[in-house]
Amino acid sequence: DADVTQTPRNRITKTGKRIMLECSQTKGHDRMYWYRQDPGLGLQLIYYSFDVKDINKGEISDGYSVSRQAQAKFSLSLESAIPNQTALYFCATSDGDGTGELFFGEGSRLTVL
Amino acid sequence: QQQVKQSPQSLIVQKGGISIINCAYENTAFDYFPWYQQFPGKGPALLIAIRPDVSEKKEGRFTISFNKSAKQFSLHIMDSQPGDSATYFCAASMGTYKYIFGTGTRLKVLA
Repeated sequence: DADVTQTPRNRITKTGKRIMLECSQTKGHDRMYWYRQDPGLGLQLIYYSFDVKDINKGEISDGYSVSRQAQAKFSLSLESAIPNQTALYFCATSDGDGTGELFFGEGSRLTVL
Repeated sequence: QQQVKQSPQSLIVQKGGISIINCAYENTAFDYFPWYQQFPGKGPALLIAIRPDVSEKKEGRFTISFNKSAKQFSLHIMDSQPGDSATYFCAASMGTYKYIFGTGTRLKVLA
């Protein structure tokens, strides 16, 4: 099983719908992140969390919210999806010490019609 | 000042050739420069990283060259193989938790 698991892997939804992307990890890391990947734009940080009680906005948090339900679970919500939120979303984890290497899930492809 | 500029956007190299991807940054407070490799349908994975106190780091066929005065760093892939075909992202961070990624380079190595 993957260390960082994202669900769903693919989702098609309509404008205005609420959508939640979920992430769970078995690496025992405290830090969790949500990134968005768009062609030609690289990876942009949406939100990050250093522990259950810590949530921080990243570069592009507008239109998104997150919830850290447990050390191992970090979910991303789009309250009212819009077409320009069509993208590939990645969850990642890192430990609080050492190199800070990011461990990514396999991604959730979201299409908003 | 937070940007990391990456070039080229795409690269085609013959098998056995050298692949070179370049990145430039502006913020001199960045102190950690990793490269991530992403295969289709997968998440990025750390390939190699460098800190600004050294000018070069080599791991197998992969080398990072770092030029602190020019605020540039590059990834060299020697003896490129078809299995190296992937998208490569450079990144920079202050500390080890908040990364600024480049826009990515799609590498194709022809057999």
